[in-house]
Amino acid sequence: EAGVTQFPSHSVIEKGQTVTLRCDPISGHDNLYWYRRVMGKEIKFLLHFVKESKQDESGMPNNRFLAERTGGTYSTLKVQPAELEDSGVYFCASSRERNTEAFFGQGTRLTVV
Amino acid sequence: QKEVEQNSGPLSVPEGAIASLNCTYSDRGSQSFFWYRQYSGKSPELIMSIYSNGDKEDGRFTAQLNKASQYVSLLIRDSQPSDSATYLCAARGGKSGAGSYQLTFGKGTKLSVIP
Repeated sequence: EAGVTQFPSHSVIEKGQTVTLRCDPISGHDNLYWYRRVMGKEIKFLLHFVKESKQDESGMPNNRFLAERTGGTYSTLKVQPAELEDSGVYFCASSRERNTEAFFGQGTRLTVV
Repeated sequence: QKEVEQNSGPLSVPEGAIASLNCTYSDRGSQSFFWYRQYSGKSPELIMSIYSNGDKEDGRFTAQLNKASQYVSLLIRDSQPSDSATYLCAARGGKSGAGSYQLTFGKGTKLSVIP
């Protein structure tokens, strides 16, 4: 069974540009989460999908971030326009049920210059 | 105020010894606790989950939970150099409504097992 996959693994963009990150959860996992780790800080929650619905987006930092999960399968996280403080590693995780273990992807390292 | 706290380390132990990793949490309503292992540049890998007070053993790993003290620990017996990684403690639950399913992480403890 394939794990959580994320694309790209690395992205370097200039301030003001747009970047879209993609996450493919484990097959059959209705719950999909986005997290972010900025340098020197702990991994922090961004949002939670149940199928195609946003269950909890309390961790989204501002309206420059847009997450979608059309069809309830893969998800995208778009940052537009990117700012320097958006640099970090963006992790995606999925779980079968809301209260079961979550499995993480390898992350996308985003660098905004 | 940090919600999940871990000693950042590094924690160095000799090969074959017991490594003890500790974590405290501030939200008394937290229900579930997880230990993830993360090698440099890799994804966090779930190694243990614990939901009730007491000990839970899985191979060389034992997780311990004390909800009264708001304390979680992970013991690694017969430590191996391959156990060298950053160990992340995470708590879930304790917030009402939709927020109950997000994980709150500590910064992680870096473990080095010396051959």
